Amino acid sequence: EVQLVESGGGLVQPGGSLRLSCTASGFTFSNYWMHWVRQVPGKGLVWVSRINNDGTNANYPDSVKGRFTISRDNAKNTLYLQVNTLSAEDTAVYYCARSWDGAFDYWGQGTLVTVSS
Amino acid sequence: ETVLTQSPGTLSLSPGERATLSCRASQSVTSNYLAWYQQKPGQAPRLLIYGASTRATGIPDRFSGSGSGTDFTLTISRLQPEDFALYYCQQYGNSRWTFGQGTKVDIK
Repeated sequence: EVQLVESGGGLVQPGGSLRLSCTASGFTFSNYWMHWVRQVPGKGLVWVSRINNDGTNANYPDSVKGRFTISRDNAKNTLYLQVNTLSAEDTAVYYCARSWDGAFDYWGQGTLVTVSS
Repeated sequence: ETVLTQSPGTLSLSPGERATLSCRASQSVTSNYLAWYQQKPGQAPRLLIYGASTRATGIPDRFSGSGSGTDFTLTISRLQPEDFALYYCQQYGNSRWTFGQGTKVDIK
C-alpha cells in the first residue's frame, strides 16, 4: 500500500524557517517525481514545488522561488521542503504528493504550518 | 502560466441526479494533461481522472471525464451520498502544475 506521511509542521514566527519531511512507503520512491502542494484552510490547492526522480532538477512557481527548496533522499525514501522567510501568507496545510502522467496519484495527509507571532 | 477556471462555483443537486462540472483553461492543455480530484473536509484530495478521461484506480464508473484543448468536463452520472464534496481540476505543462479554484457539489 502506498503511503506518504508528512511531518515537521507547526507554529513559526514571521521571518522564520521550517523543514518539512515526507516519508514514503509501499512503492519504489526513486522511480517517481515528487511534489509539495499547499492549501490555506478553506481555500484551494496550490502547487509549490516538484523534484525529479534523482533529485537533480526542481521547479517552483514564482510565488515561492528563492524561499522554498525541495530535496529528497532516495536512500531514506524521504522528501523534504525547506521553507524560509515565512510570512502569514504561507500559513497552510502542506501536502506531499506523488505524480504520474501529469497528475498527483497519491497524497499524504498533510502537515499544518502556522506563521504567527 | 495556464489559469484554470471552474464553473459553477457551487452545484446544488439531489442524490441520483447527474452532475456536470466544467473546467476551462486559459491556453491549450499540453497532451491533455488534465486531472480531476475530489476533496472532502479534513481529507487530502483523491485523484479521480487523469489524462482528461482515464479513471484512476478504484474510481467508480459513474465518474467520467471528457474534453480537450481548453474545455474539459467531469460528469458524475448518478450522484451518491458520498459524492457530495469539493472537486478540483488540475493541469500540467511547461514544468508547471496549476489547479482550478474548485466546484462544490452540495445536497439540494
